[in-house]
Amino acid sequence: NAGVTQTPKFQVLKTGQSMTLQCAQDMNHEYMSWYRQDPGMGLRLIHYSVGAGITDQGEVPNGYNVSRSTTEDFPLRLLSAAPSQTSVYFCASSSYVRNTEAFFGQGTRLTVV
Amino acid sequence: AQTVTQSQPEMSVQEAETVTLSCTYDTSESNYYLFWYKQPPSRQMILVIRQEAYKQQNATENRFSVNFQKAAKSFSLKISDSQLGDTAMYFCAFMKRNQGGKLIFGQGTELSVKP
Repeated sequence: NAGVTQTPKFQVLKTGQSMTLQCAQDMNHEYMSWYRQDPGMGLRLIHYSVGAGITDQGEVPNGYNVSRSTTEDFPLRLLSAAPSQTSVYFCASSSYVRNTEAFFGQGTRLTVV
Repeated sequence: AQTVTQSQPEMSVQEAETVTLSCTYDTSESNYYLFWYKQPPSRQMILVIRQEAYKQQNATENRFSVNFQKAAKSFSLKISDSQLGDTAMYFCAFMKRNQGGKLIFGQGTELSVKP
């Protein structure tokens, strides 16, 4: 019963580097989302998906790409890391049928130097 | 656009006492859900309680209860008999019905329970 699995848990990048944050869920949830958490700002939605092949932008999408080729996986790509992307990132999934709360991964603390 | 506001950045309470965390929101929707999430130092996001807007009865989960005032767009969380393990960041969140995956969060309230 893994739930939502995020990797890595910690990452340090240099400015300009690219990387992919991985997210996988085993609950057959339709919805998947990426949030970033910054002090004093709560969690803000980056991108979300309502099903395989369908993605849309959230509140703060610039500098990030996503794709959803399967129901289970929803990777987040940083194309050219900037210090402003230093944050804690959370992946979440939820069920359309049950229309209930989101289940979160354990987060990735990313530092861009 | 919907917004969620938590006006108390930090709060503290003595062990075994009661504390109330405030949350207000703004929306023109009539069908939606409200949540309180807890984030302990482990960073894990844990659902505390959920309220469906069409239900007038306030949700309760053991020591946690809400005061949902739909007309006032207020959704406060009451923690009774506070325990040291309740020390955490608490987030209020809003979700439109049938828009799972699009949670809107407040800024958070950091709660410290003191022995």
